Amino acid sequence: EIVMTQSPATLSVSPGERATLSCRASQSVSSNLAWYQQKPGQAPRLLIYGASTRATGIPARFSGSGSGTEFTLTISSLQSEDFAVYYCQQYNDWPPFTFGPGTKVDIK
Amino acid sequence: QVQLQESGPGLVKPSETLSLTCAVSGYSISSVYYWGWIRQPPGKGLEWIGSIYHSGSTYYNPSLKSRVTISVDTSKNQFSLKLSSVTAADTAVYYCARQQKWLQHYYFDYWGQGTLVTVSS
Repeated sequence: EIVMTQSPATLSVSPGERATLSCRASQSVSSNLAWYQQKPGQAPRLLIYGASTRATGIPARFSGSGSGTEFTLTISSLQSEDFAVYYCQQYNDWPPFTFGPGTKVDIK
Repeated sequence: QVQLQESGPGLVKPSETLSLTCAVSGYSISSVYYWGWIRQPPGKGLEWIGSIYHSGSTYYNPSLKSRVTISVDTSKNQFSLKLSSVTAADTAVYYCARQQKWLQHYYFDYWGQGTLVTVSS
């Protein structure tokens, strides 16, 4: 099973600032990685797939990069609606599909 | 617009079977997608339970495989989850989701709102 880790666990950022979130896989997942955003009481929302392709309707301030075992989600200028928990998910080697433990982005 | 809606008991007794259904609207379940179940214990992260194709082909998380059955009813455009011999550790919000099945891509692009299932006597 591929184990996903994310860092930091919590990221405190001021509105308008840049946020950089990391995701690491225990073995290579190529570019078969997705990012999700989850707000309290809501279902996860797909942001990025294929490590760097934005899903339909996702603002350009969200960008993904990386391949192999190291991935980054960058939010270029945080808006109030971006404060949430972010999860990465690998779909290269399955079953099982595995998620990271999440990074919480909160207001500094 | 694709919509998914979970339904089922919110309280299940230990050792019994948890049963949930996901009704899909706005899209035919008999299409080139997988349909999956994911759960999230309170305050914790996401765990994939399993996925099904409209043909009935299923893939399960090995950690749950002995207790999980996922089925599909194309006539009702819905799919279902059964998890047997539940314990308190199975208390979670259960989500159903559409899972992309395109080239090497298997991400979840549409999710239901989730339903909390508590295991307690």
